[in-house]
Amino acid sequence: GAVVSQHPSWVICKSGTSVKIECRSLDFQATTMFWYRQFPKQSLMLMATSNEGSKATYEQGVEKDKFLINHASLTLSTLTVTSAHPEDSSFYICSARMGGGEAFFGQGTRLTVV
Amino acid sequence: RKEVEQDPGPFNVPEGATVAFNCTYSNSASQSFFWYRQDCRKEPKLLMSVYSSGNEDGRFTAQLNRASQYISLLIRDSKLSDSATYLCVASGGGADGLTFGKGTHLIIQP
Repeated sequence: GAVVSQHPSWVICKSGTSVKIECRSLDFQATTMFWYRQFPKQSLMLMATSNEGSKATYEQGVEKDKFLINHASLTLSTLTVTSAHPEDSSFYICSARMGGGEAFFGQGTRLTVV
Repeated sequence: RKEVEQDPGPFNVPEGATVAFNCTYSNSASQSFFWYRQDCRKEPKLLMSVYSSGNEDGRFTAQLNRASQYISLLIRDSKLSDSATYLCVASGGGADGLTFGKGTHLIIQP
């Protein structure tokens, strides 16, 4: 299957700082990228959907000013968690999709805010 | 709201048994369907797409019933390594998002 690379794999940051997570589609052009969050033993929660060159569409309850998403090219999307707090600690996963086919996931980023 | 519903389990199944689980979707306009597998603390990985005619990949068989709006996954001769959470996904296609079920937790016991 197609390859989606996400990094960093894990990050520990201090409360109040910002963290940027990158998601790259390595061997295909991703028209749409998705960002999810998953708390332990819970299901994936879609945070936002982004199409290249346009603003991301955020799910209800997700603060767009706190979770900044940039999808500047067909192979790269970034999620920046601004002013992170301990409650933002979670597993963040991106996925990328070309057209209407299946989506491929990045390896995920485990964020711990201390 | 688009929903995909799955029985969360867990399903405890002895090794070698056959196990099946279904998922239902509410959006009748959904066009594409998939099963993903997620291991603990890992990202979901595509297991198989689900075609209208049904499809089989080794020990895994997926079926789609559009009239009743459900998708099924059958695992034959289950292995210990099949233990995972299985996510059912429906999509309207195009730039539309994928709607994930909450997953069915499967535990294969020796």
